[in-house]
Amino acid sequence: EAQVTQNPRYLITVTGKKLTVTCSQNMNHEYMSWYRQDPGLGLRQIYYSMNVEVTDKGDVPEGYKVSRKEKRNFPLILESPSPNQTSLYFCASSLIQGQGFPGANVLTFGAGSRLTVL
Amino acid sequence: GIQVEQSPPDLILQEGANSTLRCNFSDSVNNLQWFHQNPWGQLINLFYIPSGTKQNGRLSATTVATERYSLLYISSSQTTDSGVYFCAEFSGVTTDSWGKLQFGAGTQVVVTP
Repeated sequence: EAQVTQNPRYLITVTGKKLTVTCSQNMNHEYMSWYRQDPGLGLRQIYYSMNVEVTDKGDVPEGYKVSRKEKRNFPLILESPSPNQTSLYFCASSLIQGQGFPGANVLTFGAGSRLTVL
Repeated sequence: GIQVEQSPPDLILQEGANSTLRCNFSDSVNNLQWFHQNPWGQLINLFYIPSGTKQNGRLSATTVATERYSLLYISSSQTTDSGVYFCAEFSGVTTDSWGKLQFGAGTQVVVTP
């Protein structure tokens, strides 16, 4: 089944304890991205990747890191989590059309990861 | 980057009613997508509609790119239509930042039996 898999789905942690949220897709998609969802703010993009070893910042990258060493995986790393990073996180992926941007292809989202930082 | 405004922010419908949701954009529309987030949090792509009109069952969408807006129509609403509807556009299409995606704040829809 074609899907985007995120882990963990739920996590409660403490301030400063490094954590990684994994994202994996089995559709051979070039484009992958991370979003956070907060009440009243919709979804905001954290980082995106157009292909292996190609990553760039979205609108809210502060406090996060990503890597894209393999096409299928795009982990989100919180080196020193703080309470303002408590949120619902989504990973998504899509193909990239020949024009060079992913918009023309359907985004597939993971199920979400609810993170609480105490 | 591009600004995306959605209206209304909240909508309560009785089952069977029709409704229209709107997205306005501050810049040109090239890759507009509509998404539905169900009450369990799952996000599903409804339409990719940079221009024109598309229909999928009881849902249809129209984008008027020249006027920088898009409409999502829900006809004969059902309780399963409840959730949050988002529109989104990729910004920076003509720059190096081709992958930046901007979402609207969403329209919360509640369909009552």
